[in-house]
This record gives sequence, C-alpha cells and structure tokens, in this order.
Amino acid sequence: GQSLEQPSEVTAVEGAIVQINCTYQTSGFYGLSWYQQHDGGAPTFLSYNALDGLEETGRFSSFLSRSDSYGYLLLQELQMKDSASYFCAVRGGGSYIPTFGRGTSLIVHP
Amino acid sequence: DSGVTQTPKHLITATGQRVTLRCSPRSGDLSVYWYQQSLDQGLQFLIQYYNGEERAKGNILERFSAQQFPDLHSELNLSSLELGDSALYFCASSVGEGSNQPQHFGDGTRLSIL
Repeated sequence: GQSLEQPSEVTAVEGAIVQINCTYQTSGFYGLSWYQQHDGGAPTFLSYNALDGLEETGRFSSFLSRSDSYGYLLLQELQMKDSASYFCAVRGGGSYIPTFGRGTSLIVHP
Repeated sequence: DSGVTQTPKHLITATGQRVTLRCSPRSGDLSVYWYQQSLDQGLQFLIQYYNGEERAKGNILERFSAQQFPDLHSELNLSSLELGDSALYFCASSVGEGSNQPQHFGDGTRLSIL
C-alpha cells in the first residue's frame, strides 16, 4: 500500500515564506501532487512532480526528491487567502489513483 | 469554477435510507472519481470510472455503488445509511487515466445522517 506523512498544522505571517513537507511510501512511484482546499470547498490542483527538482508556478513551488521519498510545497509572499488545507497525494504501486495525505492546515496571520 | 458539477450540495436524511449523488464531469473528461471526506480526514478514494467502465475500486463499502452513464455523468448510490456515512462526497474528473493527469474536483455534496 501507500502512505504519506505531512504536518497537521503550520502557521506563518502574511508576506512570509512557508514550506509544507510530505514524505511518502510507495512502490513503483509515478508522481506527487499537491492540492489546496479551503474550508469545506473543492480541492484545487496546484502542482505535480514526477521527476526530481523544483517546479515553480507563480508564488507556489513544489519540490521532489525520489531518492528520499520526500517532497515539499513552498508558498512565498503569503497572503491571508492562502489559509487553507494543503494535501499531498502520491501515485504509485501500479495504480494511477492518487492516495492523499491527511492534509496540512496552513494558518496565515496578519 | 472547475467545470465539475455535483448535485445536490446538501443532503439531510435518516439512518437506513438511500440517497443518490450526481456528478457531471468537465466537458471532454472521460474519467470520474468519487471520494469521501470525513471531518479532519483526507480524501478517501471510493471508485473510478473511465468512459462508462469501472476501472478502480478503493475503500468503497458494499452498501455503496456507482455507475457512469453514456453521457459520462456519474451517480453514487448510498444505501442503508449509517451515522458514520455523514461526510463530504466529492466527485473529480480528468481527461484520461495517466499518472500526470490532474483531477478537477466538484464542490461536493455534504451528506448529513440524522
């Protein structure tokens, strides 16, 4: 099976940079995705990493190290609207169905 | 707006009852996925359909069933409902089945069992 570990909560101040880590266990790794979910809302796709390295999309970047089974989401120039839950999701083990972590609640303070 | 439509948005019913949740995928998407999200839980995968055929099953109870119709919309049927079935049910769609396919989620159906 597959499993993921991510912190349950992270707090930061507006304008700062925050990193949300995710470690995973899977065989036959395909890729790691990140999703954002505001309270009670629909999860929204943020990024996907299949190869090692950093992918940048505006204020958000996602990093992957396959040898360490580790990835992170980096959020820069934090805004209040970034307060949300962030889920990492891994695809592997012969299945293209993503397995989601339990999510990290990001709280941005003014 | 993800382009994925789920109805109803809210559903309140009693134990033992049966409900049907509906999902219309984004135009052009052939894959539909159903997820359950309970309080403070991640997204638990239930079942996937691709172009009308069941493709993958997750932790879906025998009391639950789903189907995808020729027009690609999907329905999730929940029967003999129990209090523990109270949750947010999300539908997601993607163009295909590839590992790099992002999933686009609907706004969910909030099911409350009284």
